[in-house]
Amino acid sequence: AQSVSQHNHHVILSEAASLELGCNYSYGGTVNLFWYVQYPGQHLQLLLKYFSGDPLVKGIKGFEAEFIKSKFSFNLRKPSVQWSDTAEYFCAVSGNAGKSTFGDGTTLTVKP
Amino acid sequence: DAGITQSPRHKVTETGTPVTLRCHQTENHRYMYWYRQDPGHGLRLIHYSYGVKDTDKGEVSDGYSVSRSKTEDFLLTLESATSSQTSVYFCAISERASTDTQYFGPGTRLTVL
Repeated sequence: AQSVSQHNHHVILSEAASLELGCNYSYGGTVNLFWYVQYPGQHLQLLLKYFSGDPLVKGIKGFEAEFIKSKFSFNLRKPSVQWSDTAEYFCAVSGNAGKSTFGDGTTLTVKP
Repeated sequence: DAGITQSPRHKVTETGTPVTLRCHQTENHRYMYWYRQDPGHGLRLIHYSYGVKDTDKGEVSDGYSVSRSKTEDFLLTLESATSSQTSVYFCAISERASTDTQYFGPGTRLTVL
């Protein structure tokens, strides 16, 4: 069975601070990894995804994530957060055809 | 934005009543999913469909059934709603399996009294 663990439930940062959100997964085979974001009152949308190739993946709005196979991790980073990045962030893994497993989510609050 | 609509967007019902939520897509995507979102639990897969009349269970399928008679519509039914099914329900679609991005609908907030 596949599983996802997000270490931080709630992160509070000031604007311009750097962000790193942890994500670890468990799955025995080849995985596809995703980060989704849910802005207040909105539906989930894709930030970035990793299937293969360069383990450093760049997404929208300046976000990036690094796949480290040996650590089963796919951490999300952003060098300088903005107030508009306030949202809930979900890591997801897809290994079994047609099914994705989501982490519990990390709520990011950015103070202006 | 992907063409996904959910109806109703909000519903309040009483324990023991049947409830059907509808997801409609205009993208002609093969895969459709129903998730529930609860605080502290993220998104949990209820059921998914990999084609017309082809469905399978997710991790929290007890108390729910689904049907897909057309590519564009995926229905989620709570046969006899319980208070533990109070949640926000999201429909998602993807063109292919696992490697594809899922596109989410706006959600349905269901309250079971």
